[in-house]
Amino acid sequence: DQQVKQNSPSLSVQEGRISILNCDYTNSMFDYFLWYKKYPAEGPTFLISISSIKDKNEDGRFTVFLNKSAKHLSLHIVPSQPGDSAVYFCAASAIGWTGNQFYFGTGTSLTVIP
Amino acid sequence: EPEVTQTPSHQVTQMGQEVILRCVPISNHLYFYWYRQILGQKVEFLVSFYNNEISEKSEIFDDQFSVERPDGSNFTLKIRSTKLEDSAMYFCASSVASGQNSYEQYFGPGTRLTVT
Repeated sequence: DQQVKQNSPSLSVQEGRISILNCDYTNSMFDYFLWYKKYPAEGPTFLISISSIKDKNEDGRFTVFLNKSAKHLSLHIVPSQPGDSAVYFCAASAIGWTGNQFYFGTGTSLTVIP
Repeated sequence: EPEVTQTPSHQVTQMGQEVILRCVPISNHLYFYWYRQILGQKVEFLVSFYNNEISEKSEIFDDQFSVERPDGSNFTLKIRSTKLEDSAMYFCASSVASGQNSYEQYFGPGTRLTVT
């Protein structure tokens, strides 16, 4: 039961260009979304979040867009840097759920080419 | 900067044996979690723990699994009678509390469990 989907397993982008990572979800109860970045041999690192009361959240080079009607969110990285090369996970949850259970997507491996 | 630590980094065990994976969450955090990631698959939620009891668990977290906070700092995941399919990377995470302002979960580096 894949409630959070990242349909692109990999993405390659030239340094300085925009990286766009996409995520779709099926559960309409989800109202809080996060992006995590993961380097090999490390645990996921929190990157940016958005709640369903917003449609955009920006933090430096990272912007997350949420389209609730389409149940779709995206992460934009501008400009992309070689250090951004990692696996990016989208995760979703519902505020008010006990236990803070998150559902993760399968991840998108981003390669930024110098 | 405070971080979640996990030991060991890699655990090899024989099928049928019991393993204990250890985690030290960030000291002022109150919610603790275990996730796993089977190679090539997504990160899956196992269990969350608050106030010395399980607050939520997934279907994966059956009677084979248990969690414990044996003292004020450690948070452990015990897997009894391990199976080949338990081979995965196990991540511990912690957060300040539940609720809208504290959803950021900090993850440890993971323990790679290999069951042979």
